Order: sequence, then C-alpha cells, then structure tokens
Amino acid sequence: AQTVTQSQPEMSVQEAETVTLSCTYDTSESDYYLFWYKQPPSRQMILVIRQEAYKQQNATENRFSVNFQKAAKSFSLKISDSQLGDAAMYFCASDNAGNMLTFGGGTRLMVKP
Amino acid sequence: DTGVSQDPRHKITKRGQNVTFRCDPISEHNRLYWYRQTLGQGPEFLTYFQNEAQLEKSRLLSDRFSAERPKGSFSTLEIQRTEQGDSAMYLCASSKDLGQGGGYTFGSGTRLTVV
Repeated sequence: AQTVTQSQPEMSVQEAETVTLSCTYDTSESDYYLFWYKQPPSRQMILVIRQEAYKQQNATENRFSVNFQKAAKSFSLKISDSQLGDAAMYFCASDNAGNMLTFGGGTRLMVKP
Repeated sequence: DTGVSQDPRHKITKRGQNVTFRCDPISEHNRLYWYRQTLGQGPEFLTYFQNEAQLEKSRLLSDRFSAERPKGSFSTLEIQRTEQGDSAMYLCASSKDLGQGGGYTFGSGTRLTVV
C-alpha cells in the first residue's frame, strides 16, 4: 500500500517570494508517478506538475518545480514568484500502476499581498 | 475536449434515500476513477474502471455503494440507504495511460448532504 504524508497543514508566503511545500511518500514499487495538484476553494482539482520516478531530472512547469529525492522518498514543490492566484490547497499524490492515486492530507497555502 | 463533467453539482437527500451521481469522462480517456473527499482532507480512492471493467474497489466502498460504467463511457455511482456519514464531495477523474503523459483530470465534483 502507498502512503503520502504532507507535514505542513498550512503555509504562507509573501507575494513575489518563493515557498516550498514538503511531501514524503512510501511505496514498494520501483516504477511510479508523483503529482502535485492544486485545489482552489470550491473549485476543481488541477494538475500542477508530474514526475516519473525513473527520471532523475526534476520536473519544472513555469514557476513550479519539484525536488525529487528518490532514495529519501521525498517530493517537494517549489513555487517561485508567488502570486495571489496561487492561494489554494495543494495535494501531493502518488500512483504506481495507473489504477489508484493516493493523496496526502494537503497543505493550505496563503499568499499575502 | 470539454473536461470531466459531473452531475448533479449538489444533492441534498434525506437519510435512507438512494442517490445516483453521473460522471462523463474525457472521451479519449479509457480509465475512470471515483474518489470521496471530506472537508479539509485529501481525496480517498473508491473505485477504478478501465473501459467497462471495474478493476479496483476500495474497502471504503461498502455494499451500499455500487458503480457502473456501461460501454466504457459515462459512469454512475449509486449510494443506497444513505447515512449522514456519506455526506462528502464525490469526485470523478479520468486518465489515459500515464506513460503517454499528463495525469488524472478531475471533475468539479458532486457535493452530497445527507440530512
């Protein structure tokens, strides 16, 4: 069974600054996928970024990047130049066979103007 | 591509009644998932279809819950004899083979309130 842990229930960042959200996971699989999803209040879950476990290079998507440490089973999300629209719940998730996405408990990100 | 559609958006029902939700996935996605999310928590997996076959079912899914995906297109999730503990957001997601890129695409959810 997979488990995903997000140890920061809440984080805040000043607009235009950088923030890092932490995530650790546990899986017995060697091949898997990791994701960060954003869920704004009362709105649907949106894919932010994905990482294939077999790739050593960290994924980046514009202002979003990850620090993937496979041996440590760590998968943190860095948001650069934070914007007010980044305020949301962020969920880390893992999938090992395409048949189940396991989510962490989420981190609420607040962006201060 | 109109995304994943869920209907209804909100449902209020009395305890003991049956409810049915519908999900229309992205047309080229062969995989469909149902999740349940309670306030302030991450979504919990309920069940998974590949085409019309239900391949995984969580232990969270009691025998009051049933899901179908006839012809591998839309899916329905039925809850019989609803209980107050069933109150939650029910999310549907679809995906293609993850090896082809992308991830799971979620719908806006159906919020169920059992009174």
